Amino acid sequence: QKEVEQNSGPLSVPEGAIASLNCTYSDRGSQSFFWYRQYSGKSPELIMSIYSNGDKEDGRFTAQLNKASQYVSLLIRDSQPSDSATYLCASLGNTGKLIFGQGTTLQVKP
Amino acid sequence: DVKVTQSSRYLVKRTGEKVFLECVQDMDHENMFWYRQDPGLGLRLIYFSYDVKMKEKGDIPEGYSVSREKKERFSLILESASTNQTSMYLCASSPDGNSPLHFGNGTRLTVT
Repeated sequence: QKEVEQNSGPLSVPEGAIASLNCTYSDRGSQSFFWYRQYSGKSPELIMSIYSNGDKEDGRFTAQLNKASQYVSLLIRDSQPSDSATYLCASLGNTGKLIFGQGTTLQVKP
Repeated sequence: DVKVTQSSRYLVKRTGEKVFLECVQDMDHENMFWYRQDPGLGLRLIYFSYDVKMKEKGDIPEGYSVSREKKERFSLILESASTNQTSMYLCASSPDGNSPLHFGNGTRLTVT
């Protein structure tokens, strides 16, 4: 079974700090990776896609991919209380199916 | 923006009832998916479809079936609802096999 692993948390950071969310995956054939944000009781919302090694920045969000280490991360700069949510990492492998991690709960304290 | 619409936000059904969950997307996406999400178990794929009238089993298809008669509509059917099917059900679509999924708002189903 191909897996995506995340620390369930909660990860607690003060407002204005950098939140670092991490994810590892087992399928070396995975080519595409996504981060979703899910507020309690709501559906997942796509916030970042990354397809090649290195960093990809979008506003306060930076996704990082290291295929050699099979590692994906999401950095959130200047964290706000509104960033408090569960963050799901997902990988798309050769099967064409998206494999989700269990999610990391982030709490940003004012 | 992609819009994926699930017909009901909340649904309460009785054990043994046949239940239909409807999902419609407006972006002409080829692929559609049904997941359920439970605390501690994450998102689990029930069924998916890459084309009209085509369906594939996901990781937990038992007790469910699907129908895709039109490209934009993907229905999940619980043939005889049971209490262990109480869950949040999420429909999603994507244009192709390399793109991320776009989710509907979800249907919280309670089976009593």
